[in-house]
Amino acid sequence: GAVVSQHPSWVICKSGTSVKIECRSLDFQATTMFWYRQFPKQSLMLMATSNEGSKATYEQGVEKDKFLINHASLTLSTLTVTSAHPEDSSFYICSASPATGDAYEQYFGPGTRLTVT
Amino acid sequence: SQQGEEDPQALSIQEGENATMNCSYKTSINNLQWYRQNSGRGLVHLILIRSNEREKHSGRLRVTLDTSKKSSSLLITASRAADTASYFCATEKTSGSRLTFGEGTQLTVNP
Repeated sequence: GAVVSQHPSWVICKSGTSVKIECRSLDFQATTMFWYRQFPKQSLMLMATSNEGSKATYEQGVEKDKFLINHASLTLSTLTVTSAHPEDSSFYICSASPATGDAYEQYFGPGTRLTVT
Repeated sequence: SQQGEEDPQALSIQEGENATMNCSYKTSINNLQWYRQNSGRGLVHLILIRSNEREKHSGRLRVTLDTSKKSSSLLITASRAADTASYFCATEKTSGSRLTFGEGTQLTVNP
């Protein structure tokens, strides 16, 4: 089946620093990838939709200057949390869909746990 | 905000029993999907049901979809302790578009 990886799986950083999270589709091409954030015991909240070769589309309330998304290729999207603060501590999950035109499930990465101290 | 609502929020059963989780949504959809998430891990896709389908089976899983009521249910039969996880429904308005997740049901299967 389709595999999506994320790196790193966890990261601890100091307040004010920036952290980059990678999302890769390992065995398929994904023109669109999605970034979610999940707080403890809560559901996934979509942050942004990442399109290869174009600017990401951010959900209402998500600061695009704080959460920089780059979809450099058909297999890689990155999320950079800039000037991280403790309230940014969360579980960040990406997903990718291998095709369009019919109903396809999205394949999720294993997530990255970010802790900002 | 999440458009999906799931109930119950938490469900605790004994091994061997069946578990039923429900999901409601508000807008028209192309398909509805169910995912499982073990604590602190990513999501695992379980099953997808299209808007023109009413029921689907996969192993011990049975999913129903009632588009007139905008609701779906996930039944896990003969539950096992390993089924302990959070279960989320997610709807997709058009194929390849964003998923909107429900709040999830935390299932605990006691051995």
